[in-house]
Parts: sequence; structure tokens; C-alpha cells
Amino acid sequence: DGGITQSPKYLFRKEGQNVTLSCEQNLNHDAMYWYRQDPGQGLRLIYYSQIVNDFQKGDIAEGYSVSREKKESFPLTVTSAQKNPTAFYLCASSMEASYRNEQFFGPGTRLTVL
Amino acid sequence: DQQVKQNSPSLSVQEGRISILNCDYTNSMFDYFLWYKKYPAEGPTFLISISSIKDKNEDGRFTVFLNKSAKHLSLHIVPSQPGDSAVYFCAASARTSGSRLTFGEGTQLTVNP
Repeated sequence: DGGITQSPKYLFRKEGQNVTLSCEQNLNHDAMYWYRQDPGQGLRLIYYSQIVNDFQKGDIAEGYSVSREKKESFPLTVTSAQKNPTAFYLCASSMEASYRNEQFFGPGTRLTVL
Repeated sequence: DQQVKQNSPSLSVQEGRISILNCDYTNSMFDYFLWYKKYPAEGPTFLISISSIKDKNEDGRFTVFLNKSAKHLSLHIVPSQPGDSAVYFCAASARTSGSRLTFGEGTQLTVNP
């Protein structure tokens, strides 16, 4: 059963703590992405990776970090430098890093910073 | 700057009627467009796409129209069903930007029985 898993579904953290969101895919996709969704806004790209051991900043990368050591995994760390981290975070993947490739999304993680 | 814009935050239609969701874009480099559907607390799912070399693409009840001169696309759902109630996002990509997608703000569609 191929797909993208994100864990956990809900996450609570205290202000000032770093937190890492998990994203795993077994679709054998080359490219992976992290988005953030806030109420009334579209999805905004945080980071993306077109191939293992390589990643690029998206539109709102400040306060976030990623790694891509394995093809299947693309964890996102929300650092204490992120000014407004409470949001719904979505991970996606696509078969190739091509502009015509549809992206498949995971179920999302809702992060609440108290 | 908002390069992809969905000006209607919400739309309500009766079951069986047509739903028309609109999307405008400003970046003339965009040449591939997608529509996604999203239920609350879930990830978006791909619905339909269109390349800039076409002006229409149809898949079952869903049809996407592209007007390049107006930088406008629309998604038509006929007939609308209560299960279509969700947030619909349009997204765009450009050959020059690799696999990056730029999303609109989304339109909440409610189909009333």
C-alpha cells in the first residue's frame, strides 16, 4: 500500500523548543516537499528536495531546517527561530523533479506551540 | 506577491447544479496548472491538470478551462454532489522553476442536498 505518512497527526510543543516532523514515502519518488498551511491561506513552500542529499529553500524557509539522507525520508525541523510555528504542515512527493509532475500529499501534522 | 489568486473564499451550490471555481495568475511563465481538493485535517488530493498548450481538459464530472490571454482558469463540476464539498486549490508551475508549485488561497465549496 504505497503512500506518504506523516507523524504525529497532532503535536504540541512549548515555545523555544525545536521539534522535528516526520515524513516518509514508499512511492519511490525522487522529489519531496514541505508546505505550511495557515487559515485562509494557500499552501506555502518551505523546503523541497529533488534528489537525495540535496535540498533547496522555498518561499518561507526561515526558522526551518531539513535533511534528505534517504530517498524515502524528508524530516522537517521547526526551530525556535521560527516566529510563528503554529500551523498545519504538509509533506508531499512527486515521481520526478519535473514541472509537470503532480504532487502527492501526506495527511499532515498540526503543530501547536504553547 | 500573490502570483496565484482565488478571489472567492467560498461558494455554495445546490446538488445537481454546476459549480464553477475560478483562479487567476500573474506570472506569464506558468505553463502547467493543477487543481487539488482538500478535506479538513487531510492532505490535498490531485483532481485534474492542464498544460498551457490546451484550453480545456475533461475528466468525468470535472473540466478545467484555461484562458491564457486573460491568465485565468476555472474548474467546472457537473453535476455537483454533496461529497464534492471541500476546499479547492489551484496551483501552477513553470518549466523554469522545476517541480515547484505555487498555490492559490483556496475556495471552500459547499454543495447543499
